[in-house]
Amino acid sequence: QKEVEQNSGPLSVPEGAIASLNCTYSDRGSQSFFWYRQYSGKSPELIMSIYSNGDKEDGRFTAQLNKASQYVSLLIRDSQPSDSATYLCAVNLLMYSGGGADGLTFGKGTHLIIQP
Amino acid sequence: DGGITQSPKYLFRKEGQNVTLSCEQNLNHDAMYWYRQDPGQGLRLIYYSQIVNDFQKGDIAEGYSVSREKKESFPLTVTSAQKNPTAFYLCASSKWTGGSLAGELFFGEGSRLTVL
Repeated sequence: QKEVEQNSGPLSVPEGAIASLNCTYSDRGSQSFFWYRQYSGKSPELIMSIYSNGDKEDGRFTAQLNKASQYVSLLIRDSQPSDSATYLCAVNLLMYSGGGADGLTFGKGTHLIIQP
Repeated sequence: DGGITQSPKYLFRKEGQNVTLSCEQNLNHDAMYWYRQDPGQGLRLIYYSQIVNDFQKGDIAEGYSVSREKKESFPLTVTSAQKNPTAFYLCASSKWTGGSLAGELFFGEGSRLTVL
């Protein structure tokens, strides 16, 4: 059984600080890793994807992957109140799906609160 | 604008009734999915389809049925056999080509079903 673990939170961070969200996964063969943001009552939207060890930066967001430790994280710099949401980590055994998401496993999400 | 449309957004059902949730996409994506989300839980895959007239069971298919008669449409029926149908239902789509990156899903706005 593939597992993706996240601290459910809430994680409270002051505005302007760095928010750090963590995720661990059980299947060492996992190849692709994603962070989805979900506002309360809304649907998830993809914000970051990462496929190789190291850091990947996109604006204020940085995804970090360590396959040896089976650990993926999301850093949000200069946190804004609009970043308050639940962040879902998703892991897939595949790099290229051929389109299928049957290999995609979601964590339960971390609820992030940015305090003004 | 391209996107995924789910309807209805809110639905109330009496026990013993079947209900059908609509999902339509104009992204020209081949693959479509239905997920269920319960409070404080991650997304669980109900059914997915990679091509017209073909679909596969996900992790929690019992009590649900789908059809894929058109590329654009993937309706989900919640049958009376589903023991705990109250949940937030999310339809998603993705590209399905050899170069498609696994896990890049686009979600509809969701349908919230409540069984009275």
